[in-house]
Amino acid sequence: EAAVTQSPRNKVTVTGGNVTLSCRQTNSHNYMYWYRQDTGHGLRLIHYSYGAGNLQIGDVPDGYKATRTTQEDFFLLLELASPSQTSLYFCASSETGGGNTLYFGAGTRLSVL
Amino acid sequence: AQSVDQPDAHVTLSEGASLELRCSYSYSAAPYLFWYVQYPGQSLQFLLKYITGDTVVKGTKGFEAEFRKSNSSFNLKKSPAHWSDSAKYFCALDRDIASSSFSKLVFGQGTSLSVVP
Repeated sequence: EAAVTQSPRNKVTVTGGNVTLSCRQTNSHNYMYWYRQDTGHGLRLIHYSYGAGNLQIGDVPDGYKATRTTQEDFFLLLELASPSQTSLYFCASSETGGGNTLYFGAGTRLSVL
Repeated sequence: AQSVDQPDAHVTLSEGASLELRCSYSYSAAPYLFWYVQYPGQSLQFLLKYITGDTVVKGTKGFEAEFRKSNSSFNLKKSPAHWSDSAKYFCALDRDIASSSFSKLVFGQGTSLSVVP
């Protein structure tokens, strides 16, 4: 079973604050993804990556940056957090690309006041 | 545009009944379709997927789903339902298979299932 670990599990910040969400996977997966989950929208793709240094823009990228420092580590950065970014964030990884199973982390609940 | 619709936000069933959660999709090419489950307080877990071949696919925990191209549906089924099946279920479509190596899933809104004794 793939292991995907997210930290922190909960975060509260203020409008305009700086937030970094971390994700580490330990199964040597090449593909990693950041999603946000909001009621009525399901999960929406923010950014994704294939390997260290590779970044791709997802469907809802505004206000987010991402960085993939190693094969294991994928970070999501909110440099000027806004209340609209209050959400539940999931990181996921997969061994290969299209059609393959995603393994999700436990999620980070972010509140922007 | 690609989209997934789960028209039932909440479904309540009695234990022992048959469950069927609805999912419809819009996609111009051959779809890759998934069901994931999210138990309360937990992350999403893979249940099953349809790639090609048999239109009825079996997954974990006794679930199965039927792909129907004729009406663009991929409904999830299980009989009998158990109280432990209470969770939120997400249907998802993997798009851009032909042009991208990534799994760019489009998720439905989710259906919250409650199975009562």
